[in-house]
Formats: sequence, C-alpha cells, structure tokens
Amino acid sequence: GAVVSQHPSRVICKSGTSVKIECRSLDFQATTMFWYRQFPKQSLMLMATSNEGSKATYEQGVEKDKFLINHASLTLSTLTVTSAHPEDSSFYICSALVSYEQYFGPGTRLTVT
Amino acid sequence: RKEVEQDPGPFNVPEGATVVFNCTYSNSASQSFFWYRQDCRKEPKLLMSVYSSGNEDGRFTAQLNRASQYISLLIRDSKLSDSATYLCVVNIPTSGTYKYIFGTGTRLKVLA
Repeated sequence: GAVVSQHPSRVICKSGTSVKIECRSLDFQATTMFWYRQFPKQSLMLMATSNEGSKATYEQGVEKDKFLINHASLTLSTLTVTSAHPEDSSFYICSALVSYEQYFGPGTRLTVT
Repeated sequence: RKEVEQDPGPFNVPEGATVVFNCTYSNSASQSFFWYRQDCRKEPKLLMSVYSSGNEDGRFTAQLNRASQYISLLIRDSKLSDSATYLCVVNIPTSGTYKYIFGTGTRLKVLA
C-alpha cells in the first residue's frame, strides 16, 4: 500500500505555544489528505479535509483559526495547532487518499502541559 | 441514529474460532465501504475495501448488504495476532464530494 509519514511522532509543548505537524506521502502524490483526531478509547474524528492548492474544508466545531492547515504541494500537508491548551492533547493522524482508499500516517501524540 | 454503528465489544474468542463483526450505516447513498484494523496507540491500517457484494482475502471475508445497509467482516481461524480494534468506514457523498465516516470500532481479543 501507499506510504504516509508523519512528523513528529510525539511532542510535548507548553500551554500557549504552537505546534506544527507534517504529513507526507512518500511514494505517491496526494491531492487530498485528511486530518483526524482521536481521544483515548474513542474513534477517529475528522477535523478537516485538505486539498492541494486550495483552502481546507473544516468539520463543524473545528476552529479553522486554531487548527491551521496548509497543503502547499502534492506530497505535503501541515497542521498547526495554535495557542495549544491541555484539552488539545490528543492523537492526531493524517491520511492520504489514493483512489477511494485512505492510507494513514503513524500519528502524532500531542501533550500540552 | 449514528451514521455508522458498530458493536464496541470486546469480543473474546479462543484461537481458531470464527468471529463475525457487523456494521450498519444510515445513508443509503453510501458508495464505498472499508474495514480497517487499529492496534493500540497506532494508526489504522486498511484491511479490506468492499465495493460490490463482498470480497475475500485469506482468512478474512467482507460482505455488503445494501438492502439492509450493513457490512460484515468474518475472520476464520483466529490468530492471537488478530487481536485489535476493527473499524468500519463508510464513504458518504456530501456537498459534491465525499466524506469518510468511521465507526467506533469493535475490539477483538483472541485468547490462547
């Protein structure tokens, strides 16, 4: 299957700081990538759909000014959590769309202290 | 009603058993269906895509029933390594594009 990388895999930051997470498709080009968040013992919740060269589409309840998404190339999408707070601590996972199938990155575990 | 529903389990089965998971979806316009496997604190990995009535891959068989709006995943001859959470994912058309909706997952524990 297609390979998607994500960086960093784990990050601890202080409240009020910003964190950038990168999602890369390694052996293919991805016009569409998705960003999800997963809290413990819960399922994945879609945050936004990232399309190369255009603005991201955010799900209801997700603040676009807090979760900045940039998809500047066909192999890279970034999610920046701005002014992070402890309640933003979660597992953030990206995926890239290949035909109709999604391939996931390994995820980023964010802890905000 | 949730868009995608799964029994959370856990399903505790002995090695070698056959186990079936069901997943129901509410949107009859759903186009594509998938089963993913997620291990604890890891990302989901695609197990099977289900585009027509169903398909089989080794010990895994997925079936789709559009009339009743459910998808099933059957695992034969369960192995210890099959222990994981199985996620049902449905592709739903929305506002000129598609959205992927995840079920909450079904936990499977295969016991020695």
